Amino acid sequence: AQTVTQSQPEMSVQEAETVTLSCTYDTSESDYYLFWYKQPPSRQMILVIRQEAYKQQNATENRFSVNFQKAAKSFSLKISDSQLGDAAMYFCAYRSPGTGNQFYFGTGTSLTVIP
Amino acid sequence: DAGVTQSPTHLIKTRGQHVTLRCSPISGHKSVSWYQQVLGQGPQFIFQYYEKEERGRGNFPDRFSARQFPNYSSELNVNALLLGDSALYLCASSLTGSRGTEAFFGQGTRLTVV
Repeated sequence: AQTVTQSQPEMSVQEAETVTLSCTYDTSESDYYLFWYKQPPSRQMILVIRQEAYKQQNATENRFSVNFQKAAKSFSLKISDSQLGDAAMYFCAYRSPGTGNQFYFGTGTSLTVIP
Repeated sequence: DAGVTQSPTHLIKTRGQHVTLRCSPISGHKSVSWYQQVLGQGPQFIFQYYEKEERGRGNFPDRFSARQFPNYSSELNVNALLLGDSALYLCASSLTGSRGTEAFFGQGTRLTVV
């Protein structure tokens, strides 16, 4: 079974600064998807960014980018120019291809943004 | 367009009771999955349905069951509730069950068992 580990229960960052959230995973599959989801107090999971394992290039979405190291099974999220609205729980998630919406999630990192 | 909707938003039940949670996927989405998120943890996969058939099941006891209706909405049923079933239950929908499809989550149902 796939496992996802987030070793940072809490992180904080100064507004406008950069922060990196860590994630490692374990799998025997060679093809899969990785995601970062944001869960604000409203509880709804919001997709931040996703990476397809067969793509070498790291995904970017505006201020959000990932560092995907397939051999090391590492998938970190970098948030640049942090904003107050970035404060939330962040979950790293793994999905096998062909499973639609069947995810394995990490335990989450609570991000605080300091004004 | 409406996103994934779940009802009710909050629910309080007594140990031993039964509960039914409901999920309406985004219009056109044919796959629904359910997750249990205990406080302080990440969501745990319970079930996935696609075209009204079970496509996957997580490591949950038989007290948990689900079904998907012809309109693709879904119900999650939990029998003989335990205190440990207290959690946020999330529903996610996607267009298909195949690779590349994006999943969207509802806001969840907060279940409290007393």
